[in-house]
Amino acid sequence: NAGVTQTPKFRILKIGQSMTLQCTQDMNHNYMYWYRQDPGMGLKLIYYSVGAGITDKGEVPNGYNVSRSTTEDFPLRLELAAPSQTSVYFCASSLDGTMEAFFGQGTRLTVV
Amino acid sequence: EDQVTQSPEALRLQEGESSSLNCSYTVSGLRGLFWYRQDPGKGPEFLFTLYSAGEEKEKERLKATLTKKESFLHITAPKPEDSATYLCAVQPGGYNQGGKLIFGQGTELSVKP
Repeated sequence: NAGVTQTPKFRILKIGQSMTLQCTQDMNHNYMYWYRQDPGMGLKLIYYSVGAGITDKGEVPNGYNVSRSTTEDFPLRLELAAPSQTSVYFCASSLDGTMEAFFGQGTRLTVV
Repeated sequence: EDQVTQSPEALRLQEGESSSLNCSYTVSGLRGLFWYRQDPGKGPEFLFTLYSAGEEKEKERLKATLTKKESFLHITAPKPEDSATYLCAVQPGGYNQGGKLIFGQGTELSVKP
């Protein structure tokens, strides 16, 4: 039982490049989330999904896109990387909207 | 606006020196308050959920309490392995909130032997 798995763990992007952060969970959780964590700022919600085919914006969605074609996977897409997107990204999942969320190990992204 | 503030930002303790971390919140209808532990380079790890004022939860040297405006994480006789950043998060109630969490900025705890 792996829980929430994120890939890659580290990535350096040049300004304007695109990439997809992968997230998969094997707990059959309905809800999935993407957060970003900046030093001293706490975690901010980017996008979330309450089930396959359903996604919605969080607090800081600009510059990102998501899709949820299966229960297990919730990839995060950066289309035109900007230095402001340098951050640590965490994917999380929860069984429903009231239970605790389980987090992945994070992806550290640097945009130069 | 829903908001979570944690204090202090950093706390240094000697092994065995008990203390408390504070989490103050304003939220439109609290569904739940969550405490997480985060080690450097790792994702947050779930500790407790509190749902209503007066509720308490315990786990080893940690005890979490909740009032209508704040939560405390009490650490009794801490050990060096308790060193980590402790995150507090609230889950707003109401329709269509999607289970999202609003996090505080965290308290970085260091316990010296």
